Amino acid sequence: KAGVTQTPRYLIKTRGQQVTLSCSPISGHRSVSWYQQTPGQGLQFLFEYFSETQRNKGNFPGRFSGRQFSNSRSEMNVSTLELGDSALYLCASSLGFRANTGELFFGEGSRLTVL
Amino acid sequence: AQSVTQLDSHVSVSEGTPVLLRCNYSSSYSPSLFWYVQHPNKGLQLLLKYTSAATLVKGINGFEAEFKKSETSFHLTKPSAHMSDAAEYFCVVTGGGTASKLTFGTGTRLQVTL
Repeated sequence: KAGVTQTPRYLIKTRGQQVTLSCSPISGHRSVSWYQQTPGQGLQFLFEYFSETQRNKGNFPGRFSGRQFSNSRSEMNVSTLELGDSALYLCASSLGFRANTGELFFGEGSRLTVL
Repeated sequence: AQSVTQLDSHVSVSEGTPVLLRCNYSSSYSPSLFWYVQHPNKGLQLLLKYTSAATLVKGINGFEAEFKKSETSFHLTKPSAHMSDAAEYFCVVTGGGTASKLTFGTGTRLQVTL
């Protein structure tokens, strides 16, 4: 069974641009959650989707948004990029609705560098 | 509210010696607790989880953790370290409630030397 796939793996953007990251969950998994990982702030929860609906949201500004499609694939978008958005963005999928009660399967992440 | 504190940012052990990675938690509800491992340039992998069943939890690769409510701790141990255990380890807590989220610790980098 294929794991969680994130694309692109690496990308470089400049301040003010926007970026879209993609996540394909494990087949059959309906919950997708996103995390930002930085050396200074560690791992921070962004949002969680289940059945195309955002079920939970972390404390990030509105520039961070996401969506989930009917095939459970998810995208996250960051608009008006700032230098501080440079991070590894991790996607995780799980079987159940609430990722906090089940095992999370993580992708290898998308490393975003903002210049 | 919930939080998790990993008491050591870096732990160094010799191969073949025991590993102890410490984690204290705080939660308003009965918590679920997890340990994840992250190897360089990889995503996180679940090592083990506690969800109010047995307090001693066995995980993959010989790791185990004991839930101690009186001490609000969930320390990760392994009897004998292997070079392949070198990685970053994250303690994670979640409480109850439909709006509960996963809260990650700041991580402990485990170094294993010959």
